[in-house]
Parts: sequence; C-alpha cells; structure tokens
Amino acid sequence: SQKIEQNSEALNIQEGKTATLTCNYTNYSPAYLQWYRQDPGRGPVFLLLIRENEKEKRKERLKVTFDTTLKQSLFHITASQPADSATYLCALSSGGSYIPTFGRGTSLIVHP
Amino acid sequence: DADVTQTPRNRITKTGKRIMLECSQTKGHDRMYWYRQDPGLGLRLIYYSFDVKDINKGEISDGYSVSRQAQAKFSLSLESAIPNQTALYFCATSDTPGNQETQYFGPGTRLLVL
Repeated sequence: SQKIEQNSEALNIQEGKTATLTCNYTNYSPAYLQWYRQDPGRGPVFLLLIRENEKEKRKERLKVTFDTTLKQSLFHITASQPADSATYLCALSSGGSYIPTFGRGTSLIVHP
Repeated sequence: DADVTQTPRNRITKTGKRIMLECSQTKGHDRMYWYRQDPGLGLRLIYYSFDVKDINKGEISDGYSVSRQAQAKFSLSLESAIPNQTALYFCATSDTPGNQETQYFGPGTRLLVL
C-alpha cells in the first residue's frame, strides 16, 4: 500500500543551525511533492513544490531536494529561528487528479 | 479578509445531533476539499469537489455528506454525530491544476462530540 513517512519525533535544534526534515514514501510515483507549514490550531500553509524531474528547489532560507530513486525528499531550513518552530507536512501528488496525500508531519522546535 | 473562511470555528455537540460546517472562499478556485485532522493521524480527505456539479468521496466519507452550493461554498454535514468524529476539520481550495495542486486551507473548525 502507499505510504508516506515523516519522523514522528520532534526535531529539536539550536537557533542558527540548519534544520533538516525527511519525507520518505513507498508505492508512489509522484508527479510532484509539496511541503507545508502548520502552526498549532491553524491550517497548513504552502511553502514549496518540487517536481519529479527537479533535484532541488530553493526559496529564501528554505531548500527542498527530491530523490525519486531513494524515494525521499529532504527539507532544509538554514539559519533557523525560533519563529520557524512549527509542524512541517510533506504531500505527494500523482498523475490523474493530482490531489495531494499528506504525511503526518514532523514537529520542529528551534531553541533560542 | 481571509481567502478561505470556515464557520463555526469551534463547536460542541451531542451524540446523534446533525451539524453542518460551512466553508466559503474568495479565491475563485474551482476545487474544494474537506479534511479532518486527528493527533498522530495527519490530514485525511473526507470529500472533494472539482466544480459545482461534481462531488467525490475521499478516504473517510462514511458518516459525512457534503453540498456544493456555489463555486465559493462547500458545506460538510454530520448527519448523526458520534464521539469519534471529534477532530479538527479543515476546508481547502485549489485552482484547476496545470499539474500544480497547491492547496489553500481555511483556519479550521474544532469539533467536540460528547
């Protein structure tokens, strides 16, 4: 069956360091992958999208990589700040309807 | 004003009651969705609609129904609420994809069924 795996344990890092979050998937052939940020009690907010034929995407302090051979995406936040503390969700879309399927998310806590 | 709004934001109801959650959007998007989110289970798709005349079941549609009253409005009903429907409910929209299905979420409705 199709599965999206994100680390259920919170990632704790010190301010200024690079945070790296992982999204692994099985039994998918995604056309593209997205990352969203979710703050407690609020709706997810779109951050970045990367397509199957792209290796890397950047936006300000954010970087996403996509390795379709390893079936993995890495999400990096450089020079992390306490305001980056949130839960980060990855979402995969396959051909057809392209409706994304979401992972369960990983909580990031950046300590000052 | 927010692009995707949900009412009510919080609701407490009793088992067996019928309730409706409403969603409105000003983004002009054709596609609308209802999700529920439970701790440890992530977002799960309940129903979705690609246009006013189109309604589709998602992963967990049992116990729910929807109505797409207009392009901008998509309502979710619980015909007879039960305690395991206690969850955080999100409405989302997206534009007809040019292979980019980015979703825009509302603020959520927190539902407690006693």
